[in-house]
Amino acid sequence: AQSVTQPDIHITVSEGASLELRCNYSYGATPYLFWYVQSPGQGLQLLLKYFSGDTLVQGIKGFEAEFKRSQSSFNLRKPSVHWSDAAEYFCAVVGGATNKLIFGTGTLLAVQP
Amino acid sequence: NAGVTQTPKFRILKIGQSMTLQCAQDMNHNYMYWYRQDPGMGLKLIYYSVGAGITDKGEVPNGYNVSRSTTEDFPLRLELAAPSQTSVYFCASSPGQAYGYTFGSGTRLTVV
Repeated sequence: AQSVTQPDIHITVSEGASLELRCNYSYGATPYLFWYVQSPGQGLQLLLKYFSGDTLVQGIKGFEAEFKRSQSSFNLRKPSVHWSDAAEYFCAVVGGATNKLIFGTGTLLAVQP
Repeated sequence: NAGVTQTPKFRILKIGQSMTLQCAQDMNHNYMYWYRQDPGMGLKLIYYSVGAGITDKGEVPNGYNVSRSTTEDFPLRLELAAPSQTSVYFCASSPGQAYGYTFGSGTRLTVV
């Protein structure tokens, strides 16, 4: 069965520092992978997605993610974090005809001034 | 475009009451989903629909029901509310696998 693991529950970084959020997935075929961001009290917004082609994908708000099949990973990165990036980040995988998204448990990002 | 609209935004229910959470999308998406979000647990799929007239159970369907009579609407019914149903509920829609989901802004439900 498909699954997603986000090993970091909570991460704190300083403003201007680089960021990497980890995501590992389990899926038999080529996965469709997504990163979503959720600000407090809000719904989820799509940051970026991967489904084929170039393994380094660019998203909104300066985020990027790299798909590594050998490591079953899809880590999210940002070179320089802004205070407005403080939010919860969810990695997700979809597969099958029903298009169901399986979410990780999320990583809560705090940004220090 | 309004996207995905959920109503109400907040609701307090007493144990044993029933209610319907409304979800409507104006993007003509075939796929629609209901998730619940609990702290530290991520999002769990309650029910989903791949088109009008077709629904199926997700990971945590007990205590809930859905219907999909039109492409636009996908209401979630809670019968005999229980404290365990206190959660934030999100509706989402999608045109297909490569596109991801568009989420509504959520309904925060408290059962007391």
